[in-house]
Amino acid sequence: AQSVTQLDSQVPVFEEAPVELRCNYSSSVSVYLFWYVQYPNQGLQLLLKYLSGSTLVKGINGFEAEFNKSQTSFHLRKPSVHISDTAEYFCAVIRSMDTGRRALTFGSGTRLQVQP
Amino acid sequence: EAGVAQSPRYKIIEKRQSVAFWCNPISGHATLYWYQQILGQGPKLLIQFQNNGVVDDSQLPKDRFSAERLKGVDSTLKIQPAKLEDSAVYLCASSLDRGFGDTQYFGPGTRLTVL
Repeated sequence: AQSVTQLDSQVPVFEEAPVELRCNYSSSVSVYLFWYVQYPNQGLQLLLKYLSGSTLVKGINGFEAEFNKSQTSFHLRKPSVHISDTAEYFCAVIRSMDTGRRALTFGSGTRLQVQP
Repeated sequence: EAGVAQSPRYKIIEKRQSVAFWCNPISGHATLYWYQQILGQGPKLLIQFQNNGVVDDSQLPKDRFSAERLKGVDSTLKIQPAKLEDSAVYLCASSLDRGFGDTQYFGPGTRLTVL
């Protein structure tokens, strides 16, 4: 079985400050890792994904994440946030051995609240 | 390119009633997913289709939920009869069928309230 843990349910931060949203996963096999963002009353939008190669992944809107296999983590970071980054952020995984099964397993989400 | 379309956006029903949701995926996307997102939680897969065949329905409550994808394009998800705990947002997503790295594109969801 696999699981995804997002340690912080809410993260308040001031505008232009840096932010890190934490994600840890557990799996006995290799996984593919994703971060999605959900704005109010909208569907989820892919921010970035790690499939292989460089462990530092850059995504849209200035976000980046680093895959750390030894710590089974995939934390999301942004050096300077904007008010428009206020949203719910979800970390998700797919197991590499699940032939044909491509469903994402999501964490419970982190609410990023950017204050002026 | 048009995104994933879902309707209705909102639905309120009484418990024990039936309800149906519709999804139109991005053109050319072979794989379609239905997820259930309960308030305060991440989405959870209900069913995955590849073309019009079911790949994974292991978490679908089959005594009350059903889904179909006729002709490998549009899909409908039905609940009959609904329970209070079915109150959630139902998200449809689609992707190409190139591998694990495929991006899943999500629709805006249908918010179901069961009274």
